[in-house]
Amino acid sequence: QKEVEQDPGPLSVPEGAIVSLNCTYSNSAFQYFMWYRQYSRKGPELLMYTYSSGNKEDGRFTAQVDKSSKYISLFIRDSQPSDSATYLCAITFQGAQKLVFGQGTRLTINP
Amino acid sequence: EAQVTQNPRYLITVTGKKLTVTCSQNMNHEYMSWYRQDPGLGLRQIYYSMNVEVTDKGDVPEGYKVSRKEKRNFPLILESPSPNQTSLYFCASSLSGGGLGNNEQFFGPGTRLTVL
Repeated sequence: QKEVEQDPGPLSVPEGAIVSLNCTYSNSAFQYFMWYRQYSRKGPELLMYTYSSGNKEDGRFTAQVDKSSKYISLFIRDSQPSDSATYLCAITFQGAQKLVFGQGTRLTINP
Repeated sequence: EAQVTQNPRYLITVTGKKLTVTCSQNMNHEYMSWYRQDPGLGLRQIYYSMNVEVTDKGDVPEGYKVSRKEKRNFPLILESPSPNQTSLYFCASSLSGGGLGNNEQFFGPGTRLTVL
């Protein structure tokens, strides 16, 4: 079983839609949860970071963590064509020297 | 501008011909890491370094070498490349090596390597 599972998509939605991206993980020791965004031909960049269960909001983006279900989500409201990218979840724990990445979900927002 | 740079960005080579991919960061970060990205497999860590002269294996170190002689540079060396090392490679750095939970990793632009 992979440590982190993420549906690779691709996912294609119309502009303005609400997008839901999800990951599940297997190790309950993981404490830190991140979402990276990767545009085509670019390196990943940190989009959202959460530490505990619950929601964290940043503009049109909301990161949600459910530790009891080992499930993390990223919601994008009022999606824009500029949101078209690959989204990777990443998790780790205190003292770890690596991030464990999901496979990434390729998202396209159609005008 | 704070950044991680990699060179070359694209490289086509042949089996067995030694190559080096350079990585440099200008943020005075202690921690640096190399990943490879393959379809369906996501990002997998090859090697990481917590500071100068301190390196350790990641999840897929076979066939790779690294060195960290200076804080800003972390080259990736393929002594005898093989076709299964064809991949997209990313270098990353973060402020501290004391745990990545609250340290953002900054990624370079990537190096697309093809080994024939």
